[in-house]
Amino acid sequence: LAKTTQPISMDSYEGQEVNITCSHNNIATNDYITWYQQFPSQGPRFIIQGYKTKVTNEVASLFIPADRKSSTLSLPRVSLSDTAVYYCLVGARGRRALTFGSGTRLQVQP
Amino acid sequence: ETGVTQTPRHLVMGMTNKKSLKCEQHLGHNAMYWYKQSAKKPLELMFVYSLEERVENNSVPSRFSPECPNSSHLFLHLHTLQPEDSALYLCASSQVGSSGSSYNEQFFGPGTRLTVL
Repeated sequence: LAKTTQPISMDSYEGQEVNITCSHNNIATNDYITWYQQFPSQGPRFIIQGYKTKVTNEVASLFIPADRKSSTLSLPRVSLSDTAVYYCLVGARGRRALTFGSGTRLQVQP
Repeated sequence: ETGVTQTPRHLVMGMTNKKSLKCEQHLGHNAMYWYKQSAKKPLELMFVYSLEERVENNSVPSRFSPECPNSSHLFLHLHTLQPEDSALYLCASSQVGSSGSSYNEQFFGPGTRLTVL
């Protein structure tokens, strides 16, 4: 499994754009990059998934450079409710099990 | 969201008790999972069931015993637990294609907060 590295924590203010970068130097050719969000005492929730370039949905954007050794989750105009832990996962399609790292704890201030 | 439900939400038990955690998924998925999340630790995968067959068991102690009677229900039977087993236990489900074509977006339940005294 490709190992991922993320910042332990980040702080931001309401209305700002937040970019969380994840390093995955050993990503394999058939690996996808997926991000989950977890609020305290709740299960993680899928945010976005991508393979290369850029993916955007109603919640976030995911930027993946050509070498795919890193990826950036972008949250536009965060609010207090975006305070959570964000996990970057790398794995092949068809793999049932997910391997979570320590994640990035995002704290949004008013 | 009510796609994956777990009961009870909170459980306090002694080391000699026997209890069971229940998970139910209403999403028509064919795979279900148990995860453990201890304080300040990453989620740890415990068990994976695919089409009601256990396909993965990550060296979990035998005091944890899973059961998957059908594709919608998953249980975790607990007996003679230790205080270090206190954690948030999360159930998840997903739909995995026969050819393995989907990455496997997993839908998690709210978890059961377990405290072992």
